[in-house]
Amino acid sequence: EVQLVESGGGLVQRGGSLRLSCAASGFNLNDYSMNWVRQAPGKGLEWISYISGSGNTIYYADSVKGRFTISRDTAENSLHLQMNGLRAEDTAVYYCAREIVGEADYLDYWGQGTLVTVSS
Amino acid sequence: SYDLTQPPSVSVSPGQTASITCSGDKLGDKYVCWYQQKPGQSPVLVIYQDNKRPSGIPERFSGANSGNTATLTIRETHPLDEADYYCQAWDTTASVFGTGTTVTV
Repeated sequence: EVQLVESGGGLVQRGGSLRLSCAASGFNLNDYSMNWVRQAPGKGLEWISYISGSGNTIYYADSVKGRFTISRDTAENSLHLQMNGLRAEDTAVYYCAREIVGEADYLDYWGQGTLVTVSS
Repeated sequence: SYDLTQPPSVSVSPGQTASITCSGDKLGDKYVCWYQQKPGQSPVLVIYQDNKRPSGIPERFSGANSGNTATLTIRETHPLDEADYYCQAWDTTASVFGTGTTVTV
């Protein structure tokens, strides 16, 4: 059974750092692209980062470029998001999601999310 | 940046058909997928590659995409279909979600 479990969220001061993790089970991260998507309280979904199965291709949304870093630990089969220079507008639930890449790309499994709160 | 626009809300009576639009420049040239999100839950994929349903998604859910507009249609709407719905598409090196539509049954 495919499972994604996020962790690492919490309360952090503006300008601080936080590292989110997403533990994957039921599949090998090397075989799939992965994404981070966030949702601010009461707001819609916002895609923020992508990493390919090989790890060679990485994309970021403009809103986090230069501050956030996506990475994988293949030994632990986990995905990470290093967040630096946090701002109040980064307050959100952060989801990791597995992507199916083919003729069309889509997110087929999502974690339960982890809440990041940035205090000002 | 690429934008996808959805109506904020759609209201439908039980048993009737709900249609949710997603508008973007030349959206018909891209593949669109749709996600359903209920309060306090993670999003769930309901349509991918414009009009394909994942296993476990009822046939009542269907999708179409042409020109500048993609549409998610829910036939015979149930109260359990009440949720937020988001379209999504890839634009070169960024994925984009629509603004979201709250469906009230």
